[in-house]
Amino acid sequence: GAGVSQSPSNKVTEKGKDVELRCDPISGHTALYWYRQRLGQGLEFLIYFQGNSAPDKSGLPSDRFSAERTGESVSTLTIQRTQQEDSAVYLCASSLATGDYEQYFGPGTRLTVT
Amino acid sequence: GENVEQHPSTLSVQEGDSAVIKCTYSDSASNYFPWYKQELGKRPQLIIDIRSNVGEKKDQRIAVTLNKTAKHFSLHITETQPEDSAVYFCANKGNKLTFGGGTRVLVKP
Repeated sequence: GAGVSQSPSNKVTEKGKDVELRCDPISGHTALYWYRQRLGQGLEFLIYFQGNSAPDKSGLPSDRFSAERTGESVSTLTIQRTQQEDSAVYLCASSLATGDYEQYFGPGTRLTVT
Repeated sequence: GENVEQHPSTLSVQEGDSAVIKCTYSDSASNYFPWYKQELGKRPQLIIDIRSNVGEKKDQRIAVTLNKTAKHFSLHITETQPEDSAVYFCANKGNKLTFGGGTRVLVKP
């Protein structure tokens, strides 16, 4: 079946503009995660959703970042008033649940803020 | 909160030699320890995982060991090949999955 997909694959935006990144998880996966990966760096946890529970937003770096998910489907990550330090690859991952289950990563969205 | 320390940050080995990456964690409730491999420009993918009721697990040239008392776990790659060159991330799960900082492994032919 289809894996995790993300769009757009690349996004170039001007400083100060808002951007919206999209993630389509694997069907049936109740858990969805967003990570940020700066060039040559590790995976920085941003937020995760588990079913209809309140999301864990503890990794969001500032109030310019927000994310939504409708039920167990698509999620969008929104970055308002983008800054150059927001430039990174944003990875989405989904898993069957937040238990001991493999996370399947999407291909990522490469965001460049000029 | 959860914290995972991963060492070394970079590792260069000769083809055929072994590579070892070590991680320590702080959350005593952790019960699941996966390892992910990320090739250049690609997404991370799970290569092996271990649960807290097991001390060691092996899959061909890859093995993982877990010491819950000392709160550390390690990835061992034997007979390394050029295609093993990648960044490897350890992770552990308490209430959520937390990743280490990554180890860039370079296998020299």
